[in-house]
Amino acid sequence: DTGVSQDPRHKITKRGQNVTFRCDPISEHNRLYWYRQTLGQGPEFLTYFQNEAQLEKSRLLSDRFSAERPKGSFSTLEIQRTEQGDSAMYLCASSWAGLNTEAFFGQGTRLTVV
Amino acid sequence: EDQVTQSPEALRLQEGESSSLNCSYTVSGLRGLFWYRQDPGKGPEFLFTLYSAGEEKEKERLKATLTKKESFLHITAPKPEDSATYLCAVQNSGNTGKLIFGQGTTLQVKP
Repeated sequence: DTGVSQDPRHKITKRGQNVTFRCDPISEHNRLYWYRQTLGQGPEFLTYFQNEAQLEKSRLLSDRFSAERPKGSFSTLEIQRTEQGDSAMYLCASSWAGLNTEAFFGQGTRLTVV
Repeated sequence: EDQVTQSPEALRLQEGESSSLNCSYTVSGLRGLFWYRQDPGKGPEFLFTLYSAGEEKEKERLKATLTKKESFLHITAPKPEDSATYLCAVQNSGNTGKLIFGQGTTLQVKP
């Protein structure tokens, strides 16, 4: 297993365009998380899935954001009508549900909205 | 509200100069405290998990400790390759696995 994989690594888009990011978690992990990180700050929780069910969404996740995890495998995060304030690193992590489990992160997708 | 505060924000050390990073937290029932290392432009890399006050874990030049209010990451005789941002995060007692992160401490070790 090569760990958590994210695609693309970098995305530059014009304001108002839609973008979609993909995350492939560690294969045996049943939980998948999305975080957003801006420069000089720690990651902030956006949403998470257990298998295919989306169980929690942060207040940070506006109506323009949507996440899916069909069949409990890979996940996509879509941002509609992007704004300059959406520019950030979007991080995906996966873990086992249960006691004493750590989350492993992917390399992130750097989004720049111009 | 669960909260994590790290200090200092930035730390410059000479190679071999030992020091400690601090992570203060308030959480509604601590399930675990996590330390990650993050290199520029990359995702966080897992280092340690601590579960109860008094627990300690070590890895090479790093040692993490935990009390009921804070955690320390001790760096002994650091090398330039230890330069990175170190992130602290907590999980609360809710069974979501969600991490609440501090803002990180950026460590620079000069040769």
